[in-house]
Amino acid sequence: GESVGLHLPTLSVQEGDNSIINCAYSNSASDYFIWYKQESGKGPQFIIDIRSNMDKRQGQRVTVLLNKTVKHLSLQIAATQPGDSAVYFCAESGYSTLTFGKGTMLLVSP
Amino acid sequence: GAGVSQSPSNKVTEKGKDVELRCDPISGHTALYWYRQSLGQGLEFLIYFQGNSAPDKSGLPSDRFSAERTGGSVSTLTIQRTQQEDSAVYLCASSPRPKGYQETQYFGPGTRLLVL
Repeated sequence: GESVGLHLPTLSVQEGDNSIINCAYSNSASDYFIWYKQESGKGPQFIIDIRSNMDKRQGQRVTVLLNKTVKHLSLQIAATQPGDSAVYFCAESGYSTLTFGKGTMLLVSP
Repeated sequence: GAGVSQSPSNKVTEKGKDVELRCDPISGHTALYWYRQSLGQGLEFLIYFQGNSAPDKSGLPSDRFSAERTGGSVSTLTIQRTQQEDSAVYLCASSPRPKGYQETQYFGPGTRLLVL
């Protein structure tokens, strides 16, 4: 998993597997979190967000889990596909601008 | 609808030359951000515009960097006397909400700058 400020880790999965990408944040005042996907040569793309009054939010094939007690955020991707290969990074916000992590590279093998 | 657009998509320049990078935010978005992303690194904040307020320039790395936003819409990032360490991807993002208000930032495709 990643923590805001660490070097880029890599997660390798097989097509069809479920993927879990982790993010630790440090600011206990953060109340808004976003996951972005960045494919090679492209800008970051918004995937899903969650506010601190929730602990789970689901989208299409993606679920974000928030554990405020341990300041941990995760992104779950169901039935991972080769097109999901990208760098995924989380961002947090709490009365200031978004702070971005460096990301986790997800590699999906067919 | 149209997303954030940036131009050029790629720029190769010689050390010492000036470059201008353009960003067209999503229509109606009052907040605009510039970031720099080096290979394998996270997003480095450069500058933030919000409506007609004075911009937050706290992230600009040197006085060679400047940006303006005309009419609350299009923004231009200018790098004067480019150096090789300026080589990076320059990303623009816009948001319908101000900084600190649980804003979702929407990014453009970036401009890849290479200084030879």
